Amino acid sequence: ETGVTQTPRHLVMGMTNKKSLKCEQHLGHNAMYWYKQSAKKPLELMFVYSLEERVENNSVPSRFSPECPNSSHLFLHLHTLQPEDSALYLCASSHWTSGRGDEQFFGPGTRLTVL
Amino acid sequence: LAKTTQPISMDSYEGQEVNITCSHNNIATNDYITWYQQFPSQGPRFIIQGYKTKVTNEVASLFIPADRKSSTLSLPRVSLSDTAVYYCLVGDAGSGNTGKLIFGQGTTLQVKP
Repeated sequence: ETGVTQTPRHLVMGMTNKKSLKCEQHLGHNAMYWYKQSAKKPLELMFVYSLEERVENNSVPSRFSPECPNSSHLFLHLHTLQPEDSALYLCASSHWTSGRGDEQFFGPGTRLTVL
Repeated sequence: LAKTTQPISMDSYEGQEVNITCSHNNIATNDYITWYQQFPSQGPRFIIQGYKTKVTNEVASLFIPADRKSSTLSLPRVSLSDTAVYYCLVGDAGSGNTGKLIFGQGTTLQVKP
C-alpha cells in the first residue's frame, strides 16, 4: 500500500463511546498531522508530530487524544465526543527538514458522525 | 502567518483556462506560496509551490509578481474533473517551522460542460 491511509473511512459513535482513528504513512516521512474539517468550514489543524514528538496542539479539547508510537503511525483517540465534533478527520504527513513549507500528503479522511 | 484572500467561487467551461488569484499583502520574506486542490470528502492534494516569478509543472502554472503580494494559479484547459476547491497558502518554511498549514475558505471552482 502506498501514500497515506486512514481507517476506518466512516465511523458512527455515541457520545459515551471510546474509539480510535488510525493513520499510516508509507512515504518515509517524519512528520504527521491531524486536521478537522467541518461542513463548509476550512481545515483546522489539530496536532502536529515531528520525529514522534508532539510539536503543536492547537487548543484542541482533551476529549481528543493523539498518539504517535512511531514515525509511520498516528492515532487519534476519541472519548465522550459531542455532536459538533462530527466532521471529516484528515491525517497528513510530510518530510520535516526540507525547509520549503513542506508538501503535505493527505489521507482520504475518516468521516465521523457523533450521535 | 500571512493571511490570504481568494474569491469564494468561480465558474468556467471545459477547455478554458482558469486563473485564480490570491492576495497575501502581509507575506514575509521567508514565506513560500503553495496551492492545494481538494475534492469532496477527500484530503487536499498539493498542486504547486513557488517563491517568486513563475513556476510551471505538469498540471498548473503559478505566477508571482515582484512584490509577492499576490499570486495567480493558472489551470490550462480545464475539464469537468477539475471541479474542486483550491486553497492558497502562505507559510514560513524556516528552520523553526512546525509545518503548520493554515487553510482559508478556498475557491470553489465549478467547471461546466
